Amino acid sequence: KNEVEQSPQNLTAQEGEFITINCSYSVGISALHWLQQHPGGGIVSLFMLSSGKKKHGRLIATINIQEKHSSLHITASHPRDSAVYICAVKGGKETSGSRLTFGEGTQLTVNP
Amino acid sequence: NAGVTQTPKFRVLKTGQSMTLLCAQDMNHEYMYWYRQDPGMGLRLIHYSVGEGTTAKGEVPDGYNVSRLKKQNFLLGLESAAPSQTSVYFCASRKAGQGDYGYTFGSGTRLTVV
Repeated sequence: KNEVEQSPQNLTAQEGEFITINCSYSVGISALHWLQQHPGGGIVSLFMLSSGKKKHGRLIATINIQEKHSSLHITASHPRDSAVYICAVKGGKETSGSRLTFGEGTQLTVNP
Repeated sequence: NAGVTQTPKFRVLKTGQSMTLLCAQDMNHEYMYWYRQDPGMGLRLIHYSVGEGTTAKGEVPDGYNVSRLKKQNFLLGLESAAPSQTSVYFCASRKAGQGDYGYTFGSGTRLTVV
């Protein structure tokens, strides 16, 4: 079992739909990151969370430390949101160079 | 623009050839990382560095070497390329410390070994 599990692996939505991507982890963490990767493109950081909830535009990220679970929500989805969304966690101690452990990613396709 | 620059962006190698991937960052970050990304798998750490002159092994270091002679540069070397090293390679950097520091990623290098 991977330390970081994302669901679903693939998600297809119609423009305007509310989207949720989930991330569960099995290790103690100091922070959780949500990243976005467009086809053929680089990786961009969306959020860094250690507790609670953050919002940027139509994107909302939440984390429940006790349940070791985080969700990424996209409201009023748009075709330009089509990308791979990646969850990554940073360990609880400032050792080993703040290494990240990554989930496999969720491929999101938003159709017009 | 400030960020992480990877060169080259694409490369095709024959089995047994060698090459070096360059990662350069201009944000004065202490930590730098090399990852590989393969279909159906999350990014996996190859090697990392917590400062100039220091390097350490990650999850999948075999077949790779690295050097960090200057703080801004982190080089990834393949001495004798194998088809199993066909992958997309990403470099990332981060400021040192426990604070809420984000990671900055490069745009990736797509390597094919034939």
